[in-house]
Amino acid sequence: QVQLQESGPGLVKPSQTLSLTCTVSGDSISSGGYYWSWIRQHPGKGLEWIGYIYYSGDIYYNPSVKSRVSISVDTSKSQFSLRLSSVTAADTAVYYCARTLGPGNGIDVWGQGTTVTVSS
Amino acid sequence: DIQMTQSPSSLSASVGGRVTITCRASQSINNYLNWYQQRPGKAPKLLIYAATSLQSGVPSRFSGSGSGSGTDFTLTISSLQAEDFANYYCQQSYTTPWTFGQGTKVQIK
Repeated sequence: QVQLQESGPGLVKPSQTLSLTCTVSGDSISSGGYYWSWIRQHPGKGLEWIGYIYYSGDIYYNPSVKSRVSISVDTSKSQFSLRLSSVTAADTAVYYCARTLGPGNGIDVWGQGTTVTVSS
Repeated sequence: DIQMTQSPSSLSASVGGRVTITCRASQSINNYLNWYQQRPGKAPKLLIYAATSLQSGVPSRFSGSGSGSGTDFTLTISSLQAEDFANYYCQQSYTTPWTFGQGTKVQIK
């Protein structure tokens, strides 16, 4: 079965760039039809979808972070990555990577989440 | 962005009881509505997709429905079990950016 695992620094300084990687196991990241997403959850709050990269390479970002965000994929390593620049304390959150087959299918596989704190 | 509003924000219920959570979209989303359960410290888990379809492996006490308007949806837990005390979120996947409701906390009565 497919498993996702986030990795990256747990502490980032303000104004710097947050970089996270999601490693996909149990399936090929380039297998057809899947959207590979990043989602975050601020402390004690709800969920915010950051963006996705489609298996074809198409990418979509939430306008709320579009000017600062980049999602990329490395199929050779079965990984996809998130970069969020110019971070502030408002970017402190648990970051999840996740998979969905498409808009009509829900997000069926989630990573365990990784906590990122923005602080000097 | 499409706003998703859940009600109530929290509720208390007894084991064996019936629970209903509603989710309203700010515009029609057809049936592109999903429900998730999140236990403390854990990632969300997909329960229902496309408003009414039960995700594989999810107990049948969970069910979803829509009013037909394309804006109003309901998650029902028919007989609450101890492991069901958690936060529940709805999510629309009709249009980007995909958005979530603010959550409903189901607590023990």
